[in-house]
Amino acid sequence: NAGVTQTPKFRVLKTGQSMTLLCAQDMNHEYMYWYRQDPGMGLRLIHYSVGEGTTAKGEVPDGYNVSRLKKQNFLLGLESAAPSQTSVYFCASRWDRGWSTEAFFGQGTRLTVV
Amino acid sequence: EDKVVQSPLSLVVHEGDTVTLNCSYEVTNFRSLLWYKQEKKAPTFLFMLTSSGIEKKSGRLSSILDKKELFSILNITATQTGDSAIYLCAVPLQYNNNDMRFGAGTRLTVKP
Repeated sequence: NAGVTQTPKFRVLKTGQSMTLLCAQDMNHEYMYWYRQDPGMGLRLIHYSVGEGTTAKGEVPDGYNVSRLKKQNFLLGLESAAPSQTSVYFCASRWDRGWSTEAFFGQGTRLTVV
Repeated sequence: EDKVVQSPLSLVVHEGDTVTLNCSYEVTNFRSLLWYKQEKKAPTFLFMLTSSGIEKKSGRLSSILDKKELFSILNITATQTGDSAIYLCAVPLQYNNNDMRFGAGTRLTVKP
């Protein structure tokens, strides 16, 4: 039972480069999220999706794009990476909308932009 | 502005000690508060609290919510080195039902 899987686990980018982070879940969850975690800041929501083909902005969406072409996958893209995007990125998924059930998190992607 | 504040930010104790972690919140139309434990990587769910005064327990961990004073505490008794982790508190936001506001976390270190 894989749960939520993120790839890659680590990545170093040069400023201006692009990359895509992949999140895959095998629990048939409708709701998927991308968070970033920075020291002293907690987890902040970047973008989320309430179902296949839908995406929406979270608290800190600038500089990121997302796509949910398949229900099990949620992709986070950085078109032109900046040092301020150095962070640990977490994907999460949930069964329902109202936060009455827990979210399952992936193992995280540590991204460094130099 | 919605906010969730955890204290202390870090804590170092010895095995066998009891610790209390705090989470205060200011969120419009509060409905629930969640606690997560984050060891090296992914946060894992501990408790969800919705009602004041009802303690949730799981082994040596327990948590309670005070909706009048707008805070929650997480207690860990007889701490073990395996309890070393970051403990995160989170509150769903009413205006955006798909967002949760997380606190910065409390980093707990339990020494042998």
